[in-house]
Amino acid sequence: NAGVTQTPKFQVLKTGQSMTLQCAQDMNHEYMSWYRQDPGMGLRLIHYSVGAGITDQGEVPNGYNVSRSTTEDFPLRLLSAAPSQTSVYFCASRTGAIGSGYTFGSGTRLTVV
Amino acid sequence: ILNVEQSPQSLHVQEGDSTNFTCSFPSSNFYALHWYRWETAKSPEALFVMTLNGDEKKKGRISATLNTKEGYSYLYIKGSQPEDSATYLCAFYSGGGADGLTFGKGTHLIIQP
Repeated sequence: NAGVTQTPKFQVLKTGQSMTLQCAQDMNHEYMSWYRQDPGMGLRLIHYSVGAGITDQGEVPNGYNVSRSTTEDFPLRLLSAAPSQTSVYFCASRTGAIGSGYTFGSGTRLTVV
Repeated sequence: ILNVEQSPQSLHVQEGDSTNFTCSFPSSNFYALHWYRWETAKSPEALFVMTLNGDEKKKGRISATLNTKEGYSYLYIKGSQPEDSATYLCAFYSGGGADGLTFGKGTHLIIQP
């Protein structure tokens, strides 16, 4: 049981490049979210999904797109990378039960130069 | 933007001592309060999800209490061990058809042998 798998673990991008951070979970979780972690800040919500075909914006969605075509996958797309998007990105999933905590992936460390 | 505050920011505790720290959150639109443990170089792991005023949860030497009317939760660690060294995050969930948590910045706990 792999849990939540994020790829890649590390990435360096040039300003203006686009890329997709992959996230897959094998626990049949309905809810999936993307967070970013920056020094001195708490984890901040970028986008979330409450089921296949349903996505919505979180606190810091600008510059990012998501889609949820299957229950398992929730990719995060950077449209035109900027240095302000240098961060560690975490994908997380949980069941729909109110008492369910999130299972986090191992993170992707992204540097935009 | 919801305000979730954790105190203290960091804490040094002697091995064997007990300790506690605080999470403050909005007392309105409460749905759930999550606690996570985050060890260096790993991903956050769920400790507790608390939903009812007066809830008390326990896992081994770690326990948590919840007061939704005044908007705070305490996390207690009894008889601290070196393996308890980690950052402890709390996160507020307001439900309302949305998902995603608002995280505090964490309490960084260091257990000194």
